[in-house]
Amino acid sequence: DVKVTQSSRYLVKRTGEKVFLECVQDMDHENMFWYRQDPGLGLRLIYFSYDVKMKEKGDIPEGYSVSREKKERFSLILESASTNQTSMYLCASTSFTSGSYEGQFFGPGTRLTVL
Amino acid sequence: AQTVTQSQPEMSVQEAETVTLSCTYDTSESDYYLFWYKQPPSRQMILVIRQEAYKQQNATENRFSVNFQKAAKSFSLKISDSQLGDAAMYFCAYRSGNYGGATNKLIFGTGTLLAVQP
Repeated sequence: DVKVTQSSRYLVKRTGEKVFLECVQDMDHENMFWYRQDPGLGLRLIYFSYDVKMKEKGDIPEGYSVSREKKERFSLILESASTNQTSMYLCASTSFTSGSYEGQFFGPGTRLTVL
Repeated sequence: AQTVTQSQPEMSVQEAETVTLSCTYDTSESDYYLFWYKQPPSRQMILVIRQEAYKQQNATENRFSVNFQKAAKSFSLKISDSQLGDAAMYFCAYRSGNYGGATNKLIFGTGTLLAVQP
């Protein structure tokens, strides 16, 4: 059974804190993605990675960075959390060769609140 | 740039009835893929159904089917015999038919929240 896991379901942080959101997939997928989900806005792509140590900016990368040191793990980093980063964060993965058929597999999401 | 539009923020259906969720998209590409994803309350997003643009036949998965109108750039989802477990947020998504780099990303609509009344 394929699986994408995220380190936390709920997270509460203070303004200015450095925040790490971790995502792990066990499907040997090349591509991994971080989305932000807000009511009325759908899912917006923050960053994605198509290989180890490779990363590309998505549509809303400001205030975020990412790290991919191993194929199965993709981390999202908020260098200095702000209240406007309070949101649901979803990680997803897909295979380069099969992405068109299977779509993306999603993790359960992390609901981050920044106070 | 491609865009995906879901014009129905909320829908409601009676149990056992049929409901159709609308999705339109804009693209200049001829080869692409379309998806419907389901996100139940507090649960993981899962793929419901997918459609390859080069296929004229509409995709079906059990009680779920699509009406794909390529010329009109429309991709609606029909749920037949609605069940309480169908209650969820539904997202329409687009993927380029090209491969590599940024083309692997999905472009999502804003979602339709479906309520199923017993």
